[in-house]
Amino acid sequence: NAGVTQTPKFQVLKTGQSMTLQCAQDMNHNSMYWYRQDPGMGLRLIYYSASEGTTDKGEVPNGYNVSRLNKREFSLRLESAAPSQTSVYFCASSDVNSGSSGNTIYFGEGSWLTVV
Amino acid sequence: GENVEQHPSTLSVQEGDSAVIKCTYSDSASNYFPWYKQELGKGPQLIIDIRSNVGEKKDQRIAVTLNKTAKHFSLHITETQPEDSAVYFCAATPLGSARQLTFGSGTQLTVLP
Repeated sequence: NAGVTQTPKFQVLKTGQSMTLQCAQDMNHNSMYWYRQDPGMGLRLIYYSASEGTTDKGEVPNGYNVSRLNKREFSLRLESAAPSQTSVYFCASSDVNSGSSGNTIYFGEGSWLTVV
Repeated sequence: GENVEQHPSTLSVQEGDSAVIKCTYSDSASNYFPWYKQELGKGPQLIIDIRSNVGEKKDQRIAVTLNKTAKHFSLHITETQPEDSAVYFCAATPLGSARQLTFGSGTQLTVLP
């Protein structure tokens, strides 16, 4: 059972370069998320998609764009990478229509991004 | 918005001892409180959660308590084992609003053999 799969796992970028983080889930979840994790700051929501065809900003959206390609896939794009975007990025999904378990968020393994 | 504070940031215990991690939240609308465990190089995984209509929930060696009046909740791990070593995150949100999940800053738990 793959769950949430994200690629790449590691990436080094130069300032100003662009890249896309890919994410796919096989749990038929409606909602998908992108978080970033920085030391001492927990997990902060960048963007989320409540359902296919919709996306909304989270707590820290500046410098990022997202695409909900279909129900399975949700990508995160850095148009012009900055050193402040050095972080660990997590894709996640949940099924808000699943009643009592609707709040459970399932995370991918993470993508380590360094911008130099 | 919601603000979740988590203490301590690091915790070391001897194998077999108990560990307690505490969180406070600010938004009285929050009524769902999950705990996640993150092992090195992995994504966070849900280990236990509690809703505001109960004061305590147990699952084997793990328990969570909630005091809605004081707006704090705690994770208790008994008979700790080396495999319990990880970073633990608390979180809070209104039920049914996963996108509003606010995380604490994390606790690095180390269980010493």
